[in-house]
Amino acid sequence: GNSVTQMEGPVTLSEEAFLTINCTYTATGYPSLFWYVQYPGEGLQLLLKATKADDKGSNKGFEATYRKETTSFHLEKGSVQVSDSAVYFCALSDRDGGYQKVTFGTGTKLQVIP
Amino acid sequence: GAGVSQSPSNKVTEKGKDVELRCDPISGHTALYWYRQSLGQGLEFLIYFQGNSAPDKSGLPSDRFSAERTGGSVSTLTIQRTQQEDSAVYLCASSSLTGTRNHGYTFGSGTRLTVV
Repeated sequence: GNSVTQMEGPVTLSEEAFLTINCTYTATGYPSLFWYVQYPGEGLQLLLKATKADDKGSNKGFEATYRKETTSFHLEKGSVQVSDSAVYFCALSDRDGGYQKVTFGTGTKLQVIP
Repeated sequence: GAGVSQSPSNKVTEKGKDVELRCDPISGHTALYWYRQSLGQGLEFLIYFQGNSAPDKSGLPSDRFSAERTGGSVSTLTIQRTQQEDSAVYLCASSSLTGTRNHGYTFGSGTRLTVV
């Protein structure tokens, strides 16, 4: 089956620091890739996506590039803010087990301190 | 509706009691999913509905857990004889049949279940 591996957290950064959260995947087909964000006490929200190789997804200053050759979709932001403190989930969508499903990584908690 | 709605948002129950959690998906979304998220943990898949049928219920942790969906819309997750280890946030998500690949899932805000 498909799988997503993302870096362990928590990640603690000072405000305005550069952020990278690594994500790699294993899929049998040609998946779409996503980053979701979960703010404290809330459900998951789609942050950005890329549906084919070399696509770059971007939103709210975050970006990630779909790298088929390295099966990666690393999340980056040039200057984090305290309000970015949340849990970030990498995910892929592909046919698995007979239907189109989304497979999630385990999540990486980001804490940004002033 | 405009988004995925879950109720109640919080539920405290005594050990051994039954609870029902409700999910109202986005109108027109034929696919519905339940996940469980324990404190500080990732997402644990429970069950997938396509319309009213559940082709994948491999994630239900025990026979105390069941779910149904009626009218291709509202879904109810029932936990019988609750145990303390059932304490978690239960998340519901929905997607359109053709939208999963391009748009992923849309999640509700979850029901926080505490078993005391």
